[in-house]
Amino acid sequence: RKEVEQDPGPFNVPEGATVAFNCTYSNSASQSFFWYRQDCRKEPKLLMSVYSSGNEDGRFTAQLNRASQYISLLIRDSKLSDSATYLCVVGPKTSYDKVIFGPGTSLSVIP
Amino acid sequence: DGGITQSPKYLFRKEGQNVTLSCEQNLNHDAMYWYRQDPGQGLRLIYYSQIVNDFQKGDIAEGYSVSREKKESFPLTVTSAQKNPTAFYLCASSIDGRGRTFADTQYFGPGTRLTVL
Repeated sequence: RKEVEQDPGPFNVPEGATVAFNCTYSNSASQSFFWYRQDCRKEPKLLMSVYSSGNEDGRFTAQLNRASQYISLLIRDSKLSDSATYLCVVGPKTSYDKVIFGPGTSLSVIP
Repeated sequence: DGGITQSPKYLFRKEGQNVTLSCEQNLNHDAMYWYRQDPGQGLRLIYYSQIVNDFQKGDIAEGYSVSREKKESFPLTVTSAQKNPTAFYLCASSIDGRGRTFADTQYFGPGTRLTVL
């Protein structure tokens, strides 16, 4: 089993749709969780951190389920500008371990 | 402006040549990282450094070398021993590499696209 797995995608959705991405991780001792966004041929940028209680930032909502070891990202009212690849990132149980990036899920929002 | 810079943006190399990719940050971050990304694939960790004069191999260190003589700089050398060096190389940094349980946000440079001719 890979350390971090994501929905394979691609997701093609119309403008205004709601789309959800899932990510699972194998290390139950992981402590930190993030969603990054990567535009085509660009560097990844932090979208949001994921907290145990779940968190929301505008149209974006992130949830963490430690018992099932998965993280989700919900995007409401999709915009054309949301088209990108979304990377799930899981942080270490100690600061000496490395952060693991998932393979990413591609989203295309269609007019 | 604070940030991470990588140079060059595009690099072409002949087979058998070593090349060095530059990564500089002025964010005063302790930890720095090098990743490789191939088309349609996720990021794979090459090397990382949590403090000056110290670095560790990542998942795919073979054929690469690094140095961390200064806090601001973490150059990556792609040697002729790297079998498939054509890829997008990303450098990142985070605020604190040690002594913490929680990972810090990583900030990425714009990347260098290396093509072997």
